[in-house]
Amino acid sequence: DQQVKQNSPSLSVQEGRISILNCDYTNSMFDYFLWYKKYPAEGPTFLISISSIKDKNEDGRFTVFLNKSAKHLSLHIVPSQPGDSAVYFCAASENAGNNRKLIWGLGTSLAVNP
Amino acid sequence: GAGVSQSPSNKVTEKGKDVELRCDPISGHTALYWYRQSLGQGLEFLIYFQGNSAPDKSGLPSDRFSAERTGGSVSTLTIQRTQQEDSAVYLCASSRRGGGYTFGSGTRLTVV
Repeated sequence: DQQVKQNSPSLSVQEGRISILNCDYTNSMFDYFLWYKKYPAEGPTFLISISSIKDKNEDGRFTVFLNKSAKHLSLHIVPSQPGDSAVYFCAASENAGNNRKLIWGLGTSLAVNP
Repeated sequence: GAGVSQSPSNKVTEKGKDVELRCDPISGHTALYWYRQSLGQGLEFLIYFQGNSAPDKSGLPSDRFSAERTGGSVSTLTIQRTQQEDSAVYLCASSRRGGGYTFGSGTRLTVV
């Protein structure tokens, strides 16, 4: 039973356009959400996070939106760059700041085409 | 070191053999985690060490899996009598308490 779902296994966008990666969750107790990026043969690296008390967090080209009523979050990358091509994982936790036992989605592979 | 180091990067072993996977966390990080990613699956939590506290072993899939962390630093994940379903990428991560994870590059384990 996937508590964190990334329904799109892959996404392809043109350089300079917006990339939107989606994530849905089922556990209403989740209150802290993170996005990680993973290049081949490397471990995941932290990208951006959001607490459930917010509905938006922005860091440069990356913005995460949280819709608690819909149990949905999305990562926006604008403008997309070829170096953004990677697998993006959404993760969630029940305790804000407690990063034990993060529950992970299966990932979305993003390809940004020059 | 500057990052989380895992060894070996690749391991092929015969079914039934024991394997040991090593993780060197970032110096000063008190928390250490083991995850694995099987083909087509998300990251699966295995075990968590925090300082001198008793480890959280709730994610270990069977008693063939064990892990230890010596001196609050290096950790070893041991899989006894490996099975083909143990084939996965095993990822180690460390963090300061309450901080974000830094992952190693993982060990790709293939059981043949």
